[in-house]
Amino acid sequence: DGGITQSPKYLFRKEGQNVTLSCEQNLNHDAMYWYRQDPGQGLRLIYYSQIVNDFQKGDIAEGYSVSREKKESFPLTVTSAQKNPTAFYLCASSSPPGAEAFFGQGTRLTVV
Amino acid sequence: AQSVTQLDSQVPVFEEAPVELRCNYSSSVSVYLFWYVQYPNQGLQLLLKYLSGSTLVKGINGFEAEFNKSQTSFHLRKPSVHISDTAEYFCAVTVDNAGKSTFGDGTTLTVKP
Repeated sequence: DGGITQSPKYLFRKEGQNVTLSCEQNLNHDAMYWYRQDPGQGLRLIYYSQIVNDFQKGDIAEGYSVSREKKESFPLTVTSAQKNPTAFYLCASSSPPGAEAFFGQGTRLTVV
Repeated sequence: AQSVTQLDSQVPVFEEAPVELRCNYSSSVSVYLFWYVQYPNQGLQLLLKYLSGSTLVKGINGFEAEFNKSQTSFHLRKPSVHISDTAEYFCAVTVDNAGKSTFGDGTTLTVKP
């Protein structure tokens, strides 16, 4: 079955720690995206990548980092510089760009 | 830059009644328009999309939407809702080749028996 897999589904982090969220797709899509979702605020774009080894900042990139070493994988690191990291994180992919996005099931990150 | 406004944050409706979820957008160039549905603690699923052609678009689960260029709207409709339609609905617009979508803040549809 083709799709996007995010792991873990739930993640707890202590303040001051970095944490990496996994996103893997087997849809052979070129573009991948990371969104953050907070209650009542819709989805906000963190980073996106159109091709391997290239990525661009979205609207709220501060405190986050990404890599795109393989077409299938687009991990997101939430660093200790992110002041309010507790949120629901969604990974998506699309191909070609402009087409609809396919979403993973999300990772809920809680800072304790 | 483009923007999306979902005019209703919450829409309560009784089962088997019709429903309309409103979405307006702003953009100076041509757009692609989407409606997605999200069930609790899950990702988003595509309901329907408008890329070009006919302005009336039919999607899954009996939903449809009409693209109105002059009013810059893309309202979502269903003639008769079911309890299972209770979910969060997002309108989204894409204008550039990067495929970045701008999302509205969402509308919570609650279907009551």
